[in-house]
Amino acid sequence: SQTIHQWPATLVQPVGSPLSLECTVEGTSNPNLYWYRQAAGRGLQLLFYSVGIGQISSEVPQNLSASRPQDRQFILSSKKLLLSDSGFYLCAWSRPRQPEAFFGQGTRLTVV
Amino acid sequence: AQKITQTQPGMFVQEKEAVTLDCTYDTSDPSYGLFWYKQPSSGEMIFLIYQGSYDQQNATEGRYSLNFQKARKSANLVISASQLGDSAMYFCAMREGRGFGNEKLTFGTGTRLTIIP
Repeated sequence: SQTIHQWPATLVQPVGSPLSLECTVEGTSNPNLYWYRQAAGRGLQLLFYSVGIGQISSEVPQNLSASRPQDRQFILSSKKLLLSDSGFYLCAWSRPRQPEAFFGQGTRLTVV
Repeated sequence: AQKITQTQPGMFVQEKEAVTLDCTYDTSDPSYGLFWYKQPSSGEMIFLIYQGSYDQQNATEGRYSLNFQKARKSANLVISASQLGDSAMYFCAMREGRGFGNEKLTFGTGTRLTIIP
């Protein structure tokens, strides 16, 4: 069966510090991968998606970047965090051309 | 314009009653998919049900059914015989198109459902 791992679960970082959130998928190959952000009390906003190694599409201009160094690994990064980067970050995967997306447990990031 | 609209920020329902969560969508693409996800307090997003734009019948998954009214562009979630464990945030989402790489989802703002014992 397929599983998705996302870590860490919670993170408190000072303004201006770097960020690296990692997401890995097991039990499938060539998944589509996604990073979403959920602000408090709001819906999910798609940040990045990837259909293959090294292929990253950005949905909104922001302080963040994403990379996919391996087929089942998706990394969300920032060189210098802003207060507005606080939120709940969710990684997700889907099979190409299949409708459902499956989500990780999420990372709650607080920038102080 | 909002692509997914959920007009009920919160709902309170008595246990064992049925509940309908509203969702309307906006797209000009003839091919799209509609989804409902449940987000409990733990934060994970749990896939509940899917309806394709060309599906002739309403989707059902156990106690969940999707009331798909294409002309009205609505995709309401119906939960029958609600349980205390159904208390959570519920999100409606849409995927437009069917091309490779177009599987990204647009989410509504969610409805917080509280089941009262």
